[in-house]
Amino acid sequence: AQTVTQSQPEMSVQEAETVTLSCTYDTSENNYYLFWYKQPPSRQMILVIRQEAYKQQNATENRFSVNFQKAAKSFSLKISDSQLGDTAMYFCAFMKHRNAGNMLTFGGGTRLMVKP
Amino acid sequence: ETGVTQTPRHLVMGMTNKKSLKCEQHLGHNAMYWYKQSAKKPLELMFVYSLEERVENNSVPSRFSPECPNSSHLFLHLHTLQPEDSALYLCASSPGDQETQYFGPGTRLLVL
Repeated sequence: AQTVTQSQPEMSVQEAETVTLSCTYDTSENNYYLFWYKQPPSRQMILVIRQEAYKQQNATENRFSVNFQKAAKSFSLKISDSQLGDTAMYFCAFMKHRNAGNMLTFGGGTRLMVKP
Repeated sequence: ETGVTQTPRHLVMGMTNKKSLKCEQHLGHNAMYWYKQSAKKPLELMFVYSLEERVENNSVPSRFSPECPNSSHLFLHLHTLQPEDSALYLCASSPGDQETQYFGPGTRLLVL
């Protein structure tokens, strides 16, 4: 079974600064996908970024980028130029390669507070 | 808006009630999911439907009964729930295998 661990329950950052959220996972699979989701106070789960394990290049989406270390089973999220709207719970998630249906395994989440 | 809607957004029910949660996706996706999000616990996958067939049932109690009449609609029928079933129930959909899941806004359920 896969496990996803987010070791930082809460973090804070000043507006316009950079913050990195940690995520590690455990799997015996070689082909899989990793995600970061954001859940603001509205509780709407929003996809932030996705990484395919077979790609060596780290995924980026505007101010969001990841540091994917496959050998270390690490998948951290870097948020640059933090904005007040980035305040949310951030969940790291793992999905293994399957033929039917996608099984997402989530970490426990990191609560990020962006301070003005 | 992600194209996935859920109704109702809030629900309060007694332990003897029967109610249903509804999820609808307007994205043409082939797979739909129910998740439970409790306080201080990671999101738990409850059910997966792919092409309207149930693929996974993660040992969910029988008081939760899913129904997927077509690829756009997913229901979660609830009966004789317990207070510990109080949680946020999230629906998601994806285009198919190995595809990103898109979530609805959730139904916040309180069981008294």
